[in-house]
Amino acid sequence: EAGVTQFPSHSVIEKGQTVTLRCDPISGHDNLYWYRRVMGKEIKFLLHFVKESKQDESGMPNNRFLAERTGGTYSTLKVQPAELEDSGVYFCASSQNRAQETQYFGPGTRLLVL
Amino acid sequence: KQEVTQIPAALSVPEGENLVLNCSFTDSAIYNLQWFRQDPGKGLTSLLLIQSSQREQTSGRLNASLDKSSGRSTLYIAASQPGDSATYLCAVRRGTDKLIFGTGTRLQVFP
Repeated sequence: EAGVTQFPSHSVIEKGQTVTLRCDPISGHDNLYWYRRVMGKEIKFLLHFVKESKQDESGMPNNRFLAERTGGTYSTLKVQPAELEDSGVYFCASSQNRAQETQYFGPGTRLLVL
Repeated sequence: KQEVTQIPAALSVPEGENLVLNCSFTDSAIYNLQWFRQDPGKGLTSLLLIQSSQREQTSGRLNASLDKSSGRSTLYIAASQPGDSATYLCAVRRGTDKLIFGTGTRLQVFP
């Protein structure tokens, strides 16, 4: 069974540009989460989808970040326009249902904004 | 506000030693606690999940304990090996689905 996949693995962009990150959860997992770690800090929650609905987006830092999960399968996280402080590693995780609880993480996308 | 602390931040031990990694959290009203391992440049691998009603979980050479009332969890690694070298993260979960992570312990096991 394939794990959580993320694309791209690395992205280097200039301040003011737009970047879109993609996450493909484990097949059949209704729950999809985005987290990120900025330099020197702990991993922090961004938002949670249940199928295509946003269940909790309390961790989204500002309106430059837009997450979608059309059709309840893969998800995208767009940063527009990117700022220097957005640099970090963006992780995606998925779980089958809330009762199962274990969240399975992808390898992350390393974003560097210059 | 829930805060999760991991001590030590880094640890270097010779192969074969038994070792303990510590995780503490400020709010004992947790749903469960999960230990992860992260290798450099890689994602997070789930090691053990302890429900709030449980005291410990074991997987191979790993044993995780949970003392919810005191806000502590420990990850015990028996007979450490160089392949155990990685960053170990603990994360707690409250009523919502989001995980709250500690900053991690970077472990190096040398031959």
